[in-house]
Amino acid sequence: SQTIHQWPATLVQPVGSPLSLECTVEGTSNPNLYWYRQAAGRGLQLLFYSVGIGQISSEVPQNLSASRPQDRQFILSSKKLLLSDSGFYLCALRQSSYEQYFGPGTRLTVT
Amino acid sequence: GEDVEQSLFLSVREGDSSVINCTYTDSSSTYLYWYKQEPGAGLQLLTYIFSNMDMKQDQRLTVLLNKKDKHLSLRIADTQTGDSAIYFCAGPYTGGFKTIFGAGTRLFVKA
Repeated sequence: SQTIHQWPATLVQPVGSPLSLECTVEGTSNPNLYWYRQAAGRGLQLLFYSVGIGQISSEVPQNLSASRPQDRQFILSSKKLLLSDSGFYLCALRQSSYEQYFGPGTRLTVT
Repeated sequence: GEDVEQSLFLSVREGDSSVINCTYTDSSSTYLYWYKQEPGAGLQLLTYIFSNMDMKQDQRLTVLLNKKDKHLSLRIADTQTGDSAIYFCAGPYTGGFKTIFGAGTRLFVKA
């Protein structure tokens, strides 16, 4: 069965610092991968999705970027964090039409 | 564009039934989903329903779909304190890659 790992689990970063969040998946090949952000008390905002290595689609213009250097690795990055980047970041995969599997999430606090 | 709307809060007493409602705009959705998010964790698929169904029952969960009104509901019978969580309604985008999530309904269960 599919497993999604995210790290770090929590992160506190100052404004203007860079960011790198990593997501790796096991038990599947060639999945669609997703990055979501969940701000406090709000729903899920789709940030990026990828249908394959090197293929990234951006949903919301912002100071974040994503990369997929390997089939089972999805990275979320920023060169300079903003306060508004704080939130709970979720990586997810989709192998079929039925469901998405979500990782445990990374809680990012920008101070 | 496509949208999924839910009420934000619901409070029930332990043992009562909970009904969480959702409305959507994308009439071409093949599947509609309910996900559950416990505090500090990722989302887990609770149940899903095909768009050609009106009702689906799975133990304490009953999903009702009114395609004419584009309304989806989740009923939890004999609600327990362990059911306290955020419940997300979701449906796939016509492109098949993206899932549109509602903002989530926070269910409080009072003992």
